[in-house]
Amino acid sequence: GAGVSQSPSNKVTEKGKDVELRCDPISGHTALYWYRQSLGQGLEFLIYFQGNSAPDKSGLPSDRFSAERTGGSVSTLTIQRTQQEDSAVYLCASSSFGGGNQPQHFGDGTRLSIL
Amino acid sequence: AQSVAQPEDQVNVAEGNPLTVKCTYSVSGNPYLFWYVQYPNRGLQFLLKYITGDNLVKGSYGFEAEFNKSQTSFHLKKPSALVSDSALYFCAVRSDQTGANNLFFGTGTRLTVIP
Repeated sequence: GAGVSQSPSNKVTEKGKDVELRCDPISGHTALYWYRQSLGQGLEFLIYFQGNSAPDKSGLPSDRFSAERTGGSVSTLTIQRTQQEDSAVYLCASSSFGGGNQPQHFGDGTRLSIL
Repeated sequence: AQSVAQPEDQVNVAEGNPLTVKCTYSVSGNPYLFWYVQYPNRGLQFLLKYITGDNLVKGSYGFEAEFNKSQTSFHLKKPSALVSDSALYFCAVRSDQTGANNLFFGTGTRLTVIP
């Protein structure tokens, strides 16, 4: 597709359940980022993938959060045993390469609500 | 350490008047600076960036920003505001140093253009 695609656009689940969020980056982009946006706050960096390099996981808030990127393209962010504080919009972005002066292109996000 | 400050949570301006959204930054090395705009229920859209060279950068939708190294600022400006400019604006910075992968975002400024 032309842009970054995220699914689902909305997810409502019960506390304690696991959720998977999907990101399909722009074709050919080697860098992929996950962010969390909470109400009234800026973007919180979660994880960064660049090509076949080991991901930068320094932003993951707890071991309940994990992400993978298969085949250097699609990425999945998994949250296990969800808590109410996990409620937020999860944004994915990609760029033609990591770091440097390339802008990131964002998807429309997944709005996650934990009941 | 990298950080971005957007000192105003909210900016109101009358349609047709000039607008300014403020941003100051802190970064090791030289900065790469970005402005993004976010409309309701959408991801962030890239507006413009400063890498090097001319301190006045022109971007999408008539926006521009001025890099001021001595004041460590990168304020977003537009000569004549439109109602459709009403949105949430984010400033972001990345260091030019090798290994600096992440963009650091401010907490955002909500711009309201009053008809």
